[in-house]
Order: sequence, then C-alpha cells, then structure tokens
Amino acid sequence: KAGVTQTPRYLIKTRGQQVTLSCSPISGHRSVSWYQQTPGQGLQFLFEYFSETQRNKGNFPGRFSGRQFSNSRSEMNVSTLELGDSALYLCASSLASDYTGELFFGEGSRLTVL
Amino acid sequence: AQKVTQAQTEISVVEKEDVTLDCVYETRDTTYYLFWYKQPPSGELVFLIRRNSFDEQNEISGRYSWNFQKSTSSFNFTITASQVVDSAVYFCALKVNRDDKIIFGKGTRLHILP
Repeated sequence: KAGVTQTPRYLIKTRGQQVTLSCSPISGHRSVSWYQQTPGQGLQFLFEYFSETQRNKGNFPGRFSGRQFSNSRSEMNVSTLELGDSALYLCASSLASDYTGELFFGEGSRLTVL
Repeated sequence: AQKVTQAQTEISVVEKEDVTLDCVYETRDTTYYLFWYKQPPSGELVFLIRRNSFDEQNEISGRYSWNFQKSTSSFNFTITASQVVDSAVYFCALKVNRDDKIIFGKGTRLHILP
C-alpha cells in the first residue's frame, strides 16, 4: 500500500514568489491535513480538508491556502513568499475526519526562501 | 486552551541504556486523545501510540512503554535497551474531542550513541 506522497521534496524560491505543494494521500483516505515544521515553532497546523471541504484552519495569514480535489489529492499554496516561510511542510492523511485515529505522514516538502 | 510541553529538547544516551521522554499536557476537556510520533531523519512522522483520556492503562510494546497519569497530566514514553535506530525526534501530541486539529509538542531530539 503506497504511503503519503509529497512533491516536490525540495525547492528553493525567492522572496515574493509563490509556491504550490502537492500531497497524494493513501488510497481510501479522505482527510488530508497540512503542517508547517520549523526549528523555532515546531509543528504547526495549517489546515485540514475532508471530502474537498476545508474543515479547520490554523492561525496562518491568508497567503497560505489549500484545496482538495475529488480524488482526495491536496495542494497548498503560499503566495508572496517571505524568508520566514522556509520550513518543512508535512502532509498527513487519515481515513476519517475525527483525528482520533492514526495520521499517516508524508516525508515533507522542504521549502527554502532566499 | 490546549498545550503540550516536552521540556527535554535534546537527550543523548549510550546504546542499551533506558531513556524516558517526558510529556505534559494541558486541557480542560474531559475527553481527549494523546499521541506519540517518531520523526526519523527522513522526515515523515511515524505513529507510535494513541491513548484516550478514559484509558489510563499503561502500555508496553516491545522495548517501548508508555505511562499515562491523569493526576499529573503526563504521558511519558520510555525506551528500554535503546538502540542506534531509535535516534530520532519524538513528538507528543494532544487532540480534544471537540476540535479537529492535533496540537504537537516541540519535540525531543534523541541521540543514541553507539
């Protein structure tokens, strides 16, 4: 059974640019959530999607957005990149939307903003 | 508000020693779930265990054991006879029943020295 796949794994952008990250969940999983991981702030929740609907959103500015497609694949977009957006972005999928079960994480997309 | 504190930012032990990772949580909810995840160098978080607030029974899985004490709001993780492969960052996390997101602690980086 294939795991959660995130692309690209590494990318370098400059300030002001925008970036789109992709996440393919485990087959059959309908919930996809995104986390930002930085050395200073740790793991911070960005948003969660279930059946193409955003169910929950963390405390991030509007520059961070996401969506989920009918096949449960999800993308997140960061516009007008800032140096502080440099981080590991992790995607996680789960069968249900209630988060009481196991979350399956991808290996992440490491974004460097110069 | 919910909070997870992992006071140990980094621990180093020699292989075969036992090591305990501390986790203290805060919540006023009576129904909640606690988790431990392992993050190896590859980046993806790997689920280790989930406990709900009504189940204080300690659990052992091979060399891993967890001690859940509601009286002290702690959910500590012990690795017995540590191995080099246990080197990773370990995260404790909390989810309350009425919320859809998981709150992670800042993590403890564990180094097992050969």
